[in-house]
This record gives sequence, structure tokens and C-alpha cells, in this order.
Amino acid sequence: DTEVTQTPKHLVMGMTNKKSLKCEQHMGHRAMYWYKQKAKKPPELMFVYSYEKLSINESVPSRFSPECPNSSLLNLHLHALQPEDSALYLCASSQDGAVDHYGYTFGSGTRLTVV
Amino acid sequence: AQSVTQLDSQVPVFEEAPVELRCNYSSSVSVYLFWYVQYPNQGLQLLLKYLSGSTLVKGINGFEAEFNKSQTSFHLRKPSVHISDTAEYFCAAFSGNTGKLIFGQGTTLQVKP
Repeated sequence: DTEVTQTPKHLVMGMTNKKSLKCEQHMGHRAMYWYKQKAKKPPELMFVYSYEKLSINESVPSRFSPECPNSSLLNLHLHALQPEDSALYLCASSQDGAVDHYGYTFGSGTRLTVV
Repeated sequence: AQSVTQLDSQVPVFEEAPVELRCNYSSSVSVYLFWYVQYPNQGLQLLLKYLSGSTLVKGINGFEAEFNKSQTSFHLRKPSVHISDTAEYFCAAFSGNTGKLIFGQGTTLQVKP
């Protein structure tokens, strides 16, 4: 299995809703990442988990809450989002975040619309 | 500052013509360099990577890139493009200092019939 699987593919939520994005990989990778991508822009790093511990938080607002239940799963919990949070949310994984230079494997993303 | 610069935001080209997408990196980032492709409404797919060794790197879908240390460049080339190559292309460099992948702003390749 050489894929990163993200669910759901599309999500529409109101500003008072609570929802979660899910990411799964079975490649034995020990680093997992959340990125946010606006249209025609490069991905922006949000969070990095290395060996199931949060290692990087790019000053993301607290309405985004990551969770890494085990080495194969990464969740992003969403609460009280704003319309400007509408974007493509990408999950990625790599062998070892601290020293990895073999490239990341990206999922297909969740297209999030906040109404 | 660590940076990756893609010199063209859009590159229009006719089908079966050659194409070059340009990428320059700052000397302060490591020389672990990557090209990713993103098709509409999809995630990023790794096209090719340079870690060490031969400066000419071959990737998937007929793409290749050449690492040039003196010019701090990593340009992507394809001798004959297809309509299906229409996509967004991102050059990226891994920063050993921060442990992060630094992306360029992207180049939209538009292949016309």
C-alpha cells in the first residue's frame, strides 16, 4: 500500500459545526503532516507529527485541533471555522520527519467549504 | 532567507512541443530538491527528486530535471508534452535547518491542442 487516504473528499460545514478530517497511511511512515492549500497557491504547513508526537505547530488557530491516535492515523478536528478557512486540506506522510529527504506522499485532500 | 523561486507563473505550450519549467533555490536550503505535480482537484504527486549523485534526474511521465549547483537551479523539462500534462507544478526543497519542505509558488502548465 503506497497511498495516503483522506476522508471525506468534500465537506460543507456551518460556522457553528464540529467536524473531523481523517487521514490514514499503511506505509510504515512515522511522520505525518497537515497542509492547507488555497486555489493556485502552494500548500501551507499547519502541523507535523513525528512518532505520534506533535513536533511542529505553525501558529494555527485553536479552531483547528490535530490528533494522532496511532502511527497510521491522523485527524484534524474542526470547530467554529470561518469562511476564510475554506480550502483544500492535504495530508502527507514521510518515513521520518526529522531527517527525511525522500519526499512526502500526499493524499488527494479534503475540499472544505465553510458557509 | 530560505526560499524556492519558480520563475514563471504560467507556461502555455502547444501539444508535442518541448517545455521547461524553471526553479531556483536559495543556497541556504539543502540540496534535496523535488518536483510535484497537482492535477485539478487532486493532491500532489511526486514527479522526481534529487538527493545526490547524477545531476540529471529522470522521473515519471517522461519528465526530467537537471540539478545545477553553480546556478542554484533545478529546472524541469519534457521533450514533448501532452494535453494530459496540463496541471500545476511545484518545485520544493527540504530544509535541514527547519525540517520542513519549502515550496515554490507553482507554475501552471497549459498544453494547447
